This record gives sequence, structure tokens and C-alpha cells, in this order.
Amino acid sequence: EDQVTQSPEALRLQEGESSSLNCSYTVSGLRGLFWYRQDPGKGPEFLFTLYSAGEEKEKERLKATLTKKESFLHITAPKPEDSATYLCAVLLSSGTYKYIFGTGTRLKVLA
Amino acid sequence: GAGVSQSPSNKVTEKGKDVELRCDPISGHTALYWYRQSLGQGLEFLIYFQGNSAPDKSGLPSDRFSAERTGGSVSTLTIQRTQQEDSAVYLCASSFTGSGYTFGSGTRLTVV
Repeated sequence: EDQVTQSPEALRLQEGESSSLNCSYTVSGLRGLFWYRQDPGKGPEFLFTLYSAGEEKEKERLKATLTKKESFLHITAPKPEDSATYLCAVLLSSGTYKYIFGTGTRLKVLA
Repeated sequence: GAGVSQSPSNKVTEKGKDVELRCDPISGHTALYWYRQSLGQGLEFLIYFQGNSAPDKSGLPSDRFSAERTGGSVSTLTIQRTQQEDSAVYLCASSFTGSGYTFGSGTRLTVV
């Protein structure tokens, strides 16, 4: 069964304390892996797409990487405004274009 | 418009009533999706529209749920005879095929 698992469920960091969020996947075939940020009361906001192992994408303090089994979202020197839930999703290479989402990591950055 | 627009933003309904949720996608996006997000749960796929193709309805949880997309644009998700377990945030997203979604802010449905 195709599955996406994110860890940890919740993470508290001090401002400036770098860390990584994990998204592991077991799928029949991967067309792409997507990272989203979700603030309370809002829909998820698209961050990155990764298509192949070894690929990396960066945006401000965030860097996403991809291997054949997992993806990491590295957060360097986070700020309180980075507090949000981070979701990953996989797009399968077979079937229709629907995404399988993980349950997310709730990140809280303390000033 | 500039983003995906959903209405209403909040809906409280009595058990057994029907509700309609509306989604206005980004102009030109060919794909439209409905997801459901319950407290502490991941996003649950409901239905996917792609151009003029038959929709992928494989995620609809029961025959009380239906959706349509008129003219390749606006979509309506209808829930008949609502139950308390239908309470959730219903999210609509649109995209070009295979690219990242743009989500709306969702409709928070509460069935009392």
C-alpha cells in the first residue's frame, strides 16, 4: 500500500536552532514529492517540488532534499514566523494525478 | 482571480440537512481537487477533475457525497443528509497537471 509518513509529529525549536523534518514514503512509483506549509485556518501553501533522488531545492531558510526512500526539509536558523505545519505529499507515477499526503509536522519556533 | 476562492468559509448545519460547498479555481488551471482535513488527520483525497475527462471519484466516502465542475471552472461539492462525522475542513485546490497545488482557505463544516 502506498504510504507517506512524517516525523516528528511536533517540534519545538529555539530561534536560530537548525533542524530537519523527515518525510519517508513507500510507493509503487514516484512522479514527484511536494512540500507545503500550512498556517492555522488557512489552506496549505506550496513550497517545493522534487522529482528525482539527489535533487535539492532552497528557499530562504528552507532546503528540501530527496533520496529514494525519504525527503528532508532542513530549516536553518529558524525564526518565529517559520512556525507552521509542514506537509509533504507524493504524486504517484501510475494512475491519476492525485497526491498522497502525510499527516504533517507541527513546528513551533520560540523567540 | 489571483487565488482559489472557497465559500462559505464556515458552515454550521443540522444533522440530516444537505450542504453545498463552492470552489472557484485559478483561471486556466486544468485540474481541480477536493480534499478533506479532519483534526489531527492528514489531507484525505475526495475527488479530482481534469479538463473534460471523467472525474476520479475514488475518494468519496459515501454516496451522500457528490461533486460537479461546470464549464471547466467552478466546482460544487454537495453533501446530502449530513452526519456528525462529516465535520471537517473541506479544501479545494487547483493546478496545472502534475504541478504543485494552489489551495483555497477551505470551508469549515460543523454538523450539529
